[in-house]
Order: sequence, then C-alpha cells, then structure tokens
Amino acid sequence: GAGVSQSPSNKVTEKGKDVELRCDPISGHTALYWYRQSLGQGLEFLIYFQGNSAPDKSGLPSDRFSAERTGGSVSTLTIQRTQQEDSAVYLCASRRNTGELFFGEGSRLTVL
Amino acid sequence: QQPVQSPQAVILREGEDAVINCSSSKALYSVHWYRQKHGEAPVFLMILLKGGEQKGHEKISASFNEKKQQSSLYLTASQLSYSGTYFCGTLTTGREKLTFGTGTRLTIIP
Repeated sequence: GAGVSQSPSNKVTEKGKDVELRCDPISGHTALYWYRQSLGQGLEFLIYFQGNSAPDKSGLPSDRFSAERTGGSVSTLTIQRTQQEDSAVYLCASRRNTGELFFGEGSRLTVL
Repeated sequence: QQPVQSPQAVILREGEDAVINCSSSKALYSVHWYRQKHGEAPVFLMILLKGGEQKGHEKISASFNEKKQQSSLYLTASQLSYSGTYFCGTLTTGREKLTFGTGTRLTIIP
C-alpha cells in the first residue's frame, strides 16, 4: 500500500484479555517504530526495529507487552492481560532511508 | 532522555508569528519536527542535521544549534491550517530510537 496500515483501527476489550495490534509498513522501509499516545498526551516510545538488528525494547512498560516483526515487514504488538491503564492509541511508524517517519492512523485500544 | 519543548501551548490570531523551541540535555545528531492535527496521525515537517542547519518551506522554517543542543521551529504569518500539536524528535547518534518531546499545542484563531 501507499502508506502505513494499522489494524484494527478500534479495539474494545475486557480487562485481562490479550490483544494483538498489527502494523504493515511502507514497502522498503527497514526501520519500524511503535509509540503509544494517551489522550491529550505525547508520543511514548515503545519499541524500535531496525533491519536484522536486535530490537530496542527499552520503552515497553511491562513484560505484558511484546512485539515482533516477521520477515522484516509486518509487525505485531501484543498486550497480554490488558489493564485499564493500557487504554491509548497505539501508533506505528516506518522510516524512509532519508530519516523521516511515516505514521499509520493508529489503533485505538479501550480496556473496560 | 526526552527533549523539552516550550511553550506547552500557544494561541495566536491568524497572521501572527510563533516560535516553538526544543532543547536536549544530550549532544544531538539530528532534530525532527512533526505536526499532529486533532484525531490524526503525526505528519513529518522537516529534519535538521548537525552543522547548524536551517530549513524551511513556505512559511514554516527551523534552525538547529548543535552547540546549544537546541532547535527552533518558526511559523510566520500563521494560517488556520497550522493549528495542531507540534512535536520535536531527537536522535543522538542517528541510528537509535527517535524520542519525542512533550509537544506544543498551537491554536490559530481567525
């Protein structure tokens, strides 16, 4: 596709359930980021994939969060045993080789 | 470490000028600027590399003072379409995660 695609666009889940959020980056972009944005807040870094290097997981808030990137393309962010404080918009971005990030429209997660 | 942006919010009348500042406690390799409109994803504006670079397009420009570890975004003769939250992002080596500042909310009123 022409841009970064994220799914689902909206997810409502019950506390304690697991969720998976998917990101399909722009073809040819080797770097991929996940950020979290709570209502009215900034962009909180979660995880960064760069080519075949080990991902930078330093932003993941707890061991309930994990992410993988298969074949250097699609990425999945998994949140286990969701808590109400996990409610936020999860943004994925891929990076062109000239440095600029292109963001998807985000996945809005609501944990009841 | 997260860069610091100032001001946190600003309200301008259409046609007025604004300056948004971004500073870091670390030596910087590059500074990115993005704008996010309400309910939308952030959109890239420009990147500045070390070397005291300045960039601009139309009425939005930016400067990067690597000695002071600061960047400023200049919006001149602001238009209603400039409203949104502006984020700076910084890299210290060019190959690590991009860390964003807390954002500056800009509101342009007619």
